This record gives sequence, structure tokens and C-alpha cells, in this order.
Amino acid sequence: AQSVTQLDSHVSVSEGTPVLLRCNYSSSYSPSLFWYVQHPNKGLQLLLKYTSAATLVKGINGFEAEFKKSETSFHLTKPSAHMSDAAEYFCVVSVGADGLTFGKGTHLIIQP
Amino acid sequence: KAGVTQTPRYLIKTRGQQVTLSCSPISGHRSVSWYQQTPGQGLQFLFEYFSETQRNKGNFPGRFSGRQFSNSRSEMNVSTLELGDSALYLCASSLGGVIEQYFGPGTRLTVT
Repeated sequence: AQSVTQLDSHVSVSEGTPVLLRCNYSSSYSPSLFWYVQHPNKGLQLLLKYTSAATLVKGINGFEAEFKKSETSFHLTKPSAHMSDAAEYFCVVSVGADGLTFGKGTHLIIQP
Repeated sequence: KAGVTQTPRYLIKTRGQQVTLSCSPISGHRSVSWYQQTPGQGLQFLFEYFSETQRNKGNFPGRFSGRQFSNSRSEMNVSTLELGDSALYLCASSLGGVIEQYFGPGTRLTVT
């Protein structure tokens, strides 16, 4: 079985400061890991994915994530937050042909 | 290239009725997956279809069913609706598998 835990339900940062969204996963086998973003009344958009290649993964809009097997973590970071980053972020795990298993989500708030 | 489209976008049904939701994948994509999103349970995987065959299924009762047509369009049916079925239903398509899924805007179902 696989699972994912997003450690913060809400994160608030000031515009221009770094963003850190934390995610831990559990999987019996080598997982594929993803971060998705969901803006209000919109569908989900893939930010980045890890599929057993480089452990530091770069995504769209300046986001990146590092896969740390020893810590079973896949935290999402961005050096400088922008107002348009305000949204719900989901950490997601998949093993083999299984469907995606989503975390509960982290609501990112950007303060002006 | 057109994205994933879902119809209808909003739906109101009465408890005990049945409902059919439709999803048109991105042209060339043969895999279609369905997810349910609720405030309490978050995002949960329903099932995946590939080349008209159900390839994977989540942990949902038999009231939830789906099918895929030869043109890859997919429908999801929920019979004997319950209040707890009120949710945003998301469809995602990919060339094959979950590695790079593209999500539609969703159908918001309200059961009264």
C-alpha cells in the first residue's frame, strides 16, 4: 500500500519570500511522486514529477522538489513567492500501474 | 491542442437518482482516469480505463461504474445517489498510465 502525508494544511508566506511545502510518503516499492496545483474553480495542473531519475526535480513556475529516499520526503520549494502562487497544492504518489494516491492538500496563502 | 473536457460542469440530482458524467480526453490519449474530490476525504481514485478496458479500480462501491468508448471518451455512472456522493468529479487523461496525466475542470455534483 502507498500513502502520502502533507505535513501542513495551511502555509502563509509573504510575497518575495521562500516557499516550503512538506510531503512525506510511504511505499513498499519505488514510487513515482508528483506535485499538482489547483487554483480555485480550476482543474489540477502538474507542477513536477519524480520517476527515479534525478533526485532534484525542476518544475514549472520556478518550483522544484527533492526526492530524499532516506527521509521518505518530497518537499516542494520555490525561492520567491508570487501572488499568483496562492492555490491548493497536492503531493501525490503512485506505484506501478496503481492510480494516484493524493495527500490532503496544503493551502498556500501569499501575503502582500 | 484542446484539453480534457468534462460535461456537464454542474449537476444537481435528488437522492436515489442516477447520474452519468462524460469526459473527452486530449486527442491521442488512450488512458482516462476518474477521481472524486470532497472536503472530507480529499481526492480519491475511482478507476482507470485504457483502450476500453478497466485497468485499475479504487475502493468505491459498485454503484460507481464507468466505461470507455472506442474514441477514448469515457463516461462515469453513479446509481442510487446518496448525499455523500456530492463532490467534484475529475477526469484525467494520458497517453498511457499515470505519469503525465492532464486533468479536466471537473463536474460538480450536488445531491439533495
